[in-house]
Order: sequence, then C-alpha cells, then structure tokens
Amino acid sequence: DTAVSQTPKYLVTQMGNDKSIKCEQNLGHDTMYWYKQDSKKFLKIMFSYNNKELIINETVPNRFSPKSPDKAHLNLHINSLELGDSAVYFCASSQEGTTDNEQFFGPGTRLTVL
Amino acid sequence: RKEVEQDPGPFNVPEGATVAFNCTYSNSASQSFFWYRQDCRKEPKLLMSVYSSGNEDGRFTAQLNRASQYISLLIRDSKLSDSATYLCVAPNDYKLSFGAGTTVTVRA
Repeated sequence: DTAVSQTPKYLVTQMGNDKSIKCEQNLGHDTMYWYKQDSKKFLKIMFSYNNKELIINETVPNRFSPKSPDKAHLNLHINSLELGDSAVYFCASSQEGTTDNEQFFGPGTRLTVL
Repeated sequence: RKEVEQDPGPFNVPEGATVAFNCTYSNSASQSFFWYRQDCRKEPKLLMSVYSSGNEDGRFTAQLNRASQYISLLIRDSKLSDSATYLCVAPNDYKLSFGAGTTVTVRA
C-alpha cells in the first residue's frame, strides 16, 4: 500500500502552460506539505496544510496555488509555467504540524518546462 | 549563512569501512534533528532522529553537539546498500530546513 502517492510522476510541458500535481496520503495524517527540490538538491518547503487549513506559505510566486479538498489530499496548481519551475516536487505528510514528527514523502513529480 | 550546511562529498569508501560526516545548523534554538536518506531519483526517507546528545541505531550513530551547533552521522561496517545521499534536517521556527545532502558511495 502506498502511503503518500503523487500523480503524475513525470511532467514535461511548455513555458506558459498551466499544470496540476495531485497528492494523496492514506496514513491518516493531519498535515501535508509541498516541497521543491532543485538541481542543486536543496529541498525547500513551499506550503503546508493542517486539516485543510494553510499554515505555511513560504516565499513562493503566486502562480503556485495549493488546494486541499480534504485532509488526505493536497494538490498543487501552477499557472504560466517558467523554465525556473523545472524541479522535482515532493508531497509529504506528518501526524502533526510540528517539527518533531517524521515526514513521509511521496515519490516525487519531476517537472520539466521547455 | 545557510540554515543547514553539509559537506556534499562524495565519500567513496570500501565495504566494511567506517564513514562519518557532519552537518552544521544556524538556529541555536533548534531542539530535535533528523537524518534522512535519499536514494538516487527517489524520495527522502527518515533514517534516524536525534533528540539529545546522540542516538544509535545498529550500524548508524548520530551525535549532536549543541555548543558547536553540529550533528554528525557515523556509519560502521558500510554495506553496498548504504550508498545514498544523507540529508541533515534541522527545525527552523515552524518548518524543517534540509541540507543539500552528503553523498556516500560504498564500493565492493
């Protein structure tokens, strides 16, 4: 059973397009996250939701809009894609939104913007 | 200064060797820390947590030095399967800050 799943796994698209990435967790966790891992391998938090409520919103362009229809799902919509958006996007979840808890990551979505 | 800094490596070691590497963190208020392991083109997975001065789990030992603000990870009796990138993670206010990782390659 997959704990945290993401779709699609790979996404290749043209500059200017709009795309969405979906994430689902079946762990019963309250908190979900979106991270971006760039070519230099730094993993940076973008957003965090706790029980469908946005609790972390790092300095991310407003072309990125997360949506949490319920606490098991956190989707990421990206408008007007740019070359610099190319990266691996990881969804993660944890039992609570504190920094003491293990975070479980999805397999990642490798986004390439041409 | 980056929130978490790591020696990127790579550390190339023979099977059976001991390898150790450090990570420094900037937030002196951080209490708990983590080492995550990330295999090539895979997601990070928790290796171990570090809450007090250190923690040992089988062949892996993590040590925390609060005065100097660094965490170390030591791997004894390296296996081929230990080849991976090891991410040091420190809390920074309300979020986790990840280092860029230290790459370890264990050769036969």
